[in-house]
Amino acid sequence: GAVVSQHPSRVICKSGTSVKIECRSLDFQATTMFWYRQFPKQSLMLMATSNEGSKATYEQGVEKDKFLINHASLTLSTLTVTSAHPEDSSFYICSALKGGANVLTFGAGSRLTVL
Amino acid sequence: SQELEQSPQSLIVQEGKNLTINCTSSKTLYGLYWYKQKYGEGLIFLMMLQKGGEEKSHEKITAKLDEKKQQSSLHITASQPSHAGIYLCGAPSGYALNFGKGTSLLVTP
Repeated sequence: GAVVSQHPSRVICKSGTSVKIECRSLDFQATTMFWYRQFPKQSLMLMATSNEGSKATYEQGVEKDKFLINHASLTLSTLTVTSAHPEDSSFYICSALKGGANVLTFGAGSRLTVL
Repeated sequence: SQELEQSPQSLIVQEGKNLTINCTSSKTLYGLYWYKQKYGEGLIFLMMLQKGGEEKSHEKITAKLDEKKQQSSLHITASQPSHAGIYLCGAPSGYALNFGKGTSLLVTP
C-alpha cells in the first residue's frame, strides 16, 4: 500500500507566528508531493508541487514567500506558513505519488487556526 | 483550464435508497478519479476511470465514464450511513489532480 502521514493534525497559533506542517510518505519514496488547501465547504485547491531536491512549483496566486515548501528527502515535504494571519486559517492537505502508480495518496490533513 | 462541475452540491437520502452523483468536465477527460472525504479528514481513493465507456464497481459503489469522456457518474446502491461524506471527482493536471467542488452526502436512518 501507500500511506501518507501528516503532522500535526490540528494546530492553533497566534497571528504573526510561523507554523510548520509535515508530510511523510511512510512506505514509499515520493519524488513529488502536492500541497492543497481547502476552505470550509469548498473543494481542494492546489497550492504547490513539491519536488525533492529542487524548488517547489507554486500555483498562480499562491505566495511562495508566505508558504515555504521544503522537500529535502524522498519521504518528507514540509509546508511552513510564515507570519500567519487569521485569513491563513484553513485545512491543508498533502498528497504524494508513488513511483509507478497513477493514484495520488492523501494525508489526513492539518487544520490550522490562526488567532 | 479544465473545470469540473459536480451535481448535486449536496444530497440527503434515506438509508437503503440509491443515489447518483455526476461530474461534468469542460474538456475531454484523460482520466477521472473519485475520492471520498470524511468531514475534516483526508481523501480516500475510490476509483479511477480512463477509457470511454469504462465502468468500475467496488462493493456498492459504481463509477462510469461516458463514451465522450466528458462526464462521469458515481452510483451508490442501497446507501448506508457509512457512505456519508463528501465525494470529489478529480482530473489529472500534470501529476496533480484538479478537483470539482464536491458533493456532500448525508444518509439518514
